[in-house]
Amino acid sequence: DGGITQSPKYLFRKEGQNVTLSCEQNLNHDAMYWYRQDPGQGLRLIYYSQIVNDFQKGDIAEGYSVSREKKESFPLTVTSAQKNPTAFYLCASSYGTAYYEQYFGPGTRLTVT
Amino acid sequence: AQSVTQLGSHVSVSEGALVLLRCNYSSSVPPYLFWYVQYPNQGLQLLLKYTTGATLVKGINGFEAEFKKSETSFHLTKPSAHMSDAAEYFCAVSDRTYNTDKLIFGTGTRLQVFP
Repeated sequence: DGGITQSPKYLFRKEGQNVTLSCEQNLNHDAMYWYRQDPGQGLRLIYYSQIVNDFQKGDIAEGYSVSREKKESFPLTVTSAQKNPTAFYLCASSYGTAYYEQYFGPGTRLTVT
Repeated sequence: AQSVTQLGSHVSVSEGALVLLRCNYSSSVPPYLFWYVQYPNQGLQLLLKYTTGATLVKGINGFEAEFKKSETSFHLTKPSAHMSDAAEYFCAVSDRTYNTDKLIFGTGTRLQVFP
């Protein structure tokens, strides 16, 4: 079955630690995205990548970093510089043009204490 | 720049009643519009989308939406609510300003369905 996987489902970290969230897709999509979801704020774009080895900052990139070394994978690192990292993180992918919808993974809930 | 406004962060209906979730958009170019549904602690699932052509779009689970350019609206409806429709619904517009495929999401509407 084609789809997007995110792991782990739940993640707990201590303040000051970097943490990497995994996102893998086997849909042969060119574009991949990371969103942050907080209650009442909808989805906010962190980073996106339209092609391997290239990515762009979204609306709230500060304190986050990404890489896109393979078409299938787009890991997100939440660094210690992110002031309020506790949130639900969603990864998505698409064929890379506005015409096509984005497909979402199941999400990772990160709690930092 | 494109933007999306969802009127009403919470909507409550009785089972069997009409569901109406409102979405208005702002766009300087012909928009591509989407409705997604999210069940608790899950990702988003596409309900339907409008790109071009027929302005009444039918989606999954009995939902439909009508693109009204004159009203800059893309409201989501379902004639008869089911308990399983309880979820959060997001309207989104493609950011086509710079020829990217970014989506701009509304803040969501949580639908409650009472028996």
